[in-house]
Amino acid sequence: GENVEQHPSTLSVQEGDSAVIKCTYSDSASNYFPWYKQELGKRPQLIIDIRSNVGEKKDQRIAVTLNKTAKHFSLHITETQPEDSAVYFCAAQEYSGGGADGLTFGKGTHLIIQP
Amino acid sequence: DSGVTQTPKHLITATGQRVTLRCSPRSGDLSVYWYQQSLDQGLQFLIQYYNGEERAKGNILERFSAQQFPDLHSELNLSSLELGDSALYFCASSVGLTGNGYTFGSGTRLTVV
Repeated sequence: GENVEQHPSTLSVQEGDSAVIKCTYSDSASNYFPWYKQELGKRPQLIIDIRSNVGEKKDQRIAVTLNKTAKHFSLHITETQPEDSAVYFCAAQEYSGGGADGLTFGKGTHLIIQP
Repeated sequence: DSGVTQTPKHLITATGQRVTLRCSPRSGDLSVYWYQQSLDQGLQFLIQYYNGEERAKGNILERFSAQQFPDLHSELNLSSLELGDSALYFCASSVGLTGNGYTFGSGTRLTVV
């Protein structure tokens, strides 16, 4: 089955700086890679996703890059703000016309924005 | 409000007992997924139902079972509960068979004492 490794487990950055979280996956058949943000005691919320036919995707201050050859993908947050503090999860999934298994999640990164 | 409704929000029960968690998907969504979130195991996929049928299975224990009813709500049944089953149980839903962009409910926090 799929295995997703996520680093670092904790990341502390100064407000206004950039944050980068990295994930690697094991199954070359995986073709969908979402990122979720989870605030304490709340549900995971999708913040951005990328499919394997795309190398990069951006949405305002958030971007995701994918390197299929190396089987890794990264989340980039620029101009970090206090409200970016949360746990971020990467995930991978293989899907085909017949459906897909569930998402395989990384262990999460606790992002701390220092004022 | 995500549109995915989970009940109850909190549940405290004793070891050896059986509980049922309930999930109502967003309007129009046919797929329901169950996930378990614990400190040591992280977020783990348990099982998926699509339009009443089981479609994918993850790390679901034999003591756990689920079903999706004709009105598309789903129930996760946990039996012979152990201390290690204490966790947050999330339900998510999506329109189709894949999980692309699906939405999580607020979760049920299960505490086994």
